[in-house]
Amino acid sequence: ETGVTQSPTHLIKTRGQQVTLRCSSQSGHNTVSWYQQALGQGPQFIFQYYREEENGRGNFPPRFSGLQFPNYSSELNVNALELDDSALYLCASSLRDFYGYTFGSGTRLTVV
Amino acid sequence: GIQVEQSPPDLILQEGANSTLRCNFSDSVNNLQWFHQNPWGQLINLFYIPSGTKQNGRLSATTVATERYSLLYISSSQTTDSGVYFCAVGNSGNTPLVFGKGTRLSVIA
Repeated sequence: ETGVTQSPTHLIKTRGQQVTLRCSSQSGHNTVSWYQQALGQGPQFIFQYYREEENGRGNFPPRFSGLQFPNYSSELNVNALELDDSALYLCASSLRDFYGYTFGSGTRLTVV
Repeated sequence: GIQVEQSPPDLILQEGANSTLRCNFSDSVNNLQWFHQNPWGQLINLFYIPSGTKQNGRLSATTVATERYSLLYISSSQTTDSGVYFCAVGNSGNTPLVFGKGTRLSVIA
C-alpha cells in the first residue's frame, strides 16, 4: 500500500507566475484535500475533490484551482502568484464517509 | 466556523519527562484527530479520537466531547518526539479538518 506522494518537494517562483503542484493519493482512497500551511501556523483548508469535482472550498480566491483525475490523483494550480502564497502545500487523501486522512510530505513553495 | 485552540504553544522537555497537550474546540464534532508533524513537514496521524480514551505505546489521548476538549499525553519523552503536534476537528468524514495552531515540542537529551 503506497502513501500519498507530492511533487515537487521544493519550488521557487517569481511573483505573477503560475504554478502546478501534484499529488498521488493513497491506494484505495477516492477523496483528495489540499491545505496551505504558512510558517508557524496550522494547515488551512483550500479545497477538496471527490469524483473529479470540487466538493468544498475554504476561504481562498479563485486563482487557486484544482483538478482530480480518474485515478484519484490531483493537481493544485495557483495563478498570479503573490508573495503571501509562500507556504507548505499539503495534500491529503481519504476514503469518503471514513475519517482517516493520509497526508503527503508537502511541497514547499517560495515566491520571490 | 469551528475554532480550535491548542496549548501550550511551545514546550521544552528533558528526555524522559512526561507532558500533556491540550486542544479546546468551540462546537460539537464527530471527527477529532491528533497529528505529529515531523521536521520534514509530513503530518503523521496519531489518533482518531472523537470521544473516549486510546493508547498507543507511550502516547495516549482522551477526548471529553461534552466539554469540548481533548488531551494528548506523552510519557517518557524521547528526542524523536520533537516536532509540532496538531489537533484537527471536523463534523464528518467528508467535511474538511480544521486545525489548531499546534504545540511545538522540543525534547532535549
